[in-house]
Amino acid sequence: EPEVTQTPSHQVTQMGQEVILRCVPISNHLYFYWYRQILGQKVEFLVSFYNNEISEKSEIFDDQFSVERPDGSNFTLKIRSTKLEDSAMYFCASSEAHRFRGGYSNQPQHFGDGTRLSIL
Amino acid sequence: AQKITQTQPGMFVQEKEAVTLDCTYDTSDPSYGLFWYKQPSSGEMIFLIYQGSYDQQNATEGRYSLNFQKARKSANLVISASQLGDSAMYFCAMRETGGFKTIFGAGTRLFVKA
Repeated sequence: EPEVTQTPSHQVTQMGQEVILRCVPISNHLYFYWYRQILGQKVEFLVSFYNNEISEKSEIFDDQFSVERPDGSNFTLKIRSTKLEDSAMYFCASSEAHRFRGGYSNQPQHFGDGTRLSIL
Repeated sequence: AQKITQTQPGMFVQEKEAVTLDCTYDTSDPSYGLFWYKQPSSGEMIFLIYQGSYDQQNATEGRYSLNFQKARKSANLVISASQLGDSAMYFCAMRETGGFKTIFGAGTRLFVKA
């Protein structure tokens, strides 16, 4: 079964450094997302990406963050000047085109295994 | 504003028995989708089941079923015949029509006893 793949599985970075988290979404999916989960807390939406642009972002996704689809397969999250509070599990997700049935979108988002980011 | 509430931080169930994990939600949008995800100790997020707000019947996927009560705004997950491998964190989630973000509840940790 096709799956979302994320690399690396664990990233350790010094505070203030830039980090790039990488994701390969499922090949026929058109919508891409990043979420984060601080240890012991709920999963939080960061950003969604469609047609080479951000379609929605949360208040967490400030100027420190950026996303890019540099080629036809990869989807990256860049965090500039990392802070201690950026330590979390970061999940990439993807979904098929949003087919609307009865007025709602019924496509689940399929998640990768996550990248555990540790800021020292 | 959207909100998902899971009031059970932890649940225990005996192997082979059924268990219900509670989820209530709040939204002003009449069109939305509800999802359940499983997160084992290894950390990955596994999609389990989906329910649309206009679906007339409760969703089922193998041993998973969703008890959808729209008027009460609840979407409880029922796991039948629990297995040891079901021990994990379970998240209820929602996405409104036209929206892209999925919001998650705080999760319920399920422990299956042998």
